[in-house]
Amino acid sequence: GAGVSQSPRYKVTKRGQDVALRCDPISGHVSLYWYRQALGQGPEFLTYFNYEAQQDKSGLPNDRFSAERPEGSISTLTIQRTEQRDSAMYRCASSLAPPRAANEQFFGPGTRLTVL
Amino acid sequence: EDQVTQSPEALRLQEGESSSLNCSYTVSGLRGLFWYRQDPGKGPEFLFTLYSAGEEKEKERLKATLTKKESFLHITAPKPEDSATYLCAVQSTNAGGTSYGKLTFGQGTILTVHP
Repeated sequence: GAGVSQSPRYKVTKRGQDVALRCDPISGHVSLYWYRQALGQGPEFLTYFNYEAQQDKSGLPNDRFSAERPEGSISTLTIQRTEQRDSAMYRCASSLAPPRAANEQFFGPGTRLTVL
Repeated sequence: EDQVTQSPEALRLQEGESSSLNCSYTVSGLRGLFWYRQDPGKGPEFLFTLYSAGEEKEKERLKATLTKKESFLHITAPKPEDSATYLCAVQSTNAGGTSYGKLTFGQGTILTVHP
């Protein structure tokens, strides 16, 4: 079946612009996660949702970052007034069930954001 | 705060030369420890979940083991197609037993297997 998809795959923007990154999870997956991955490092948690409810946003760096999942499926990560330090690979993952028990997260291909 | 440290940072092996990757972790309470494989330009690909000390899981040439402080990924007779970055991650619980959904990753071990 189809995996997690993300769009766009690449985004180049100028400093100060807003960007919206989209994640389409595996069909039927309840939980959706956003991570940021720097080159040579493991993914770093940003936020996650169970259905449409944002459960944990402790990893969002500052209030320029926000995320939503209004219908419990597709999610959008928005970065306002982008800065060069926001340049990174942004990855989305989904899992079948809420994390009452550990269950694997399946990752998408990522969106490479470059802020000029 | 959960912490994960992987070693070595990079490992070069000859085809057929078995070895192990290490993942040391510190968590308040372990819900699960995950191993992922990541190929260049792609997202992490799930390999294993381990839940408790003493547990082992195998898949082809890979075997993952878990103790209370670390996990090992053993690679037996590796082939060039096993070359990738291997990531370890933990999912923890709070004192009330509620799982934190997030995964905390290590920095990864870059494995290169030469023919």
